[in-house]
Amino acid sequence: KAGVTQTPRYLIKTRGQQVTLSCSPISGHRSVSWYQQTPGQGLQFLFEYFSETQRNKGNFPGRFSGRQFSNSRSEMNVSTLELGDSALYLCAVRDSFTGELFFGEGSRLTVL
Amino acid sequence: DQQVKQNSPSLSVQEGRISILNCDYTNSMFDYFLWYKKYPAEGPTFLISISSIKDKNEDGRFTVFLNKSAKHLSLHIVPSQPGDSAVYFCAALGPNTDKLIFGTGTRLQVFP
Repeated sequence: KAGVTQTPRYLIKTRGQQVTLSCSPISGHRSVSWYQQTPGQGLQFLFEYFSETQRNKGNFPGRFSGRQFSNSRSEMNVSTLELGDSALYLCAVRDSFTGELFFGEGSRLTVL
Repeated sequence: DQQVKQNSPSLSVQEGRISILNCDYTNSMFDYFLWYKKYPAEGPTFLISISSIKDKNEDGRFTVFLNKSAKHLSLHIVPSQPGDSAVYFCAALGPNTDKLIFGTGTRLQVFP
């Protein structure tokens, strides 16, 4: 079964700062997706990486970016933070046999 | 544009009774639907799925029904248990993509 480790679990930033979140698929899955969860908006797709290439992108401003490394680890970056960026950011990997999407526990970002 | 909608933000059900969570979608290209369950401070976990070629899928206490003509799916939990108390997200997947479109979630509370 796939496992996903996200760091940091919690962080607090102020407006205008930037943040980098990390996602490490334990079993080396090649596809990594990022989602943002906010109250009232549910989970919204940010982007998906496959073999270090961005394959899909959601409707988020350019302040949101990501990348994937050769070991499948992925990072997402948010620059010039706004209050509305406060959310739980979830990383997910897909099991190539079952198609099931496995989520990490998320990184909860609070922007003050 | 919310392509997947869960119009009930919350639902309260007595233990032992049936819980019915509803989900509507607008994109007729969606061909695979999933339900995820989320506890606080944890990432969503996969619950059950259904392909658009079926109208029902059952797994223990959980059954998902799909009505393609109405673009509607529902999750039935019977009998409901206090441990089922969580936020439930429905999600849809189109062909040839790993991009899941999530609903806004329904918070289920099962009381004794």
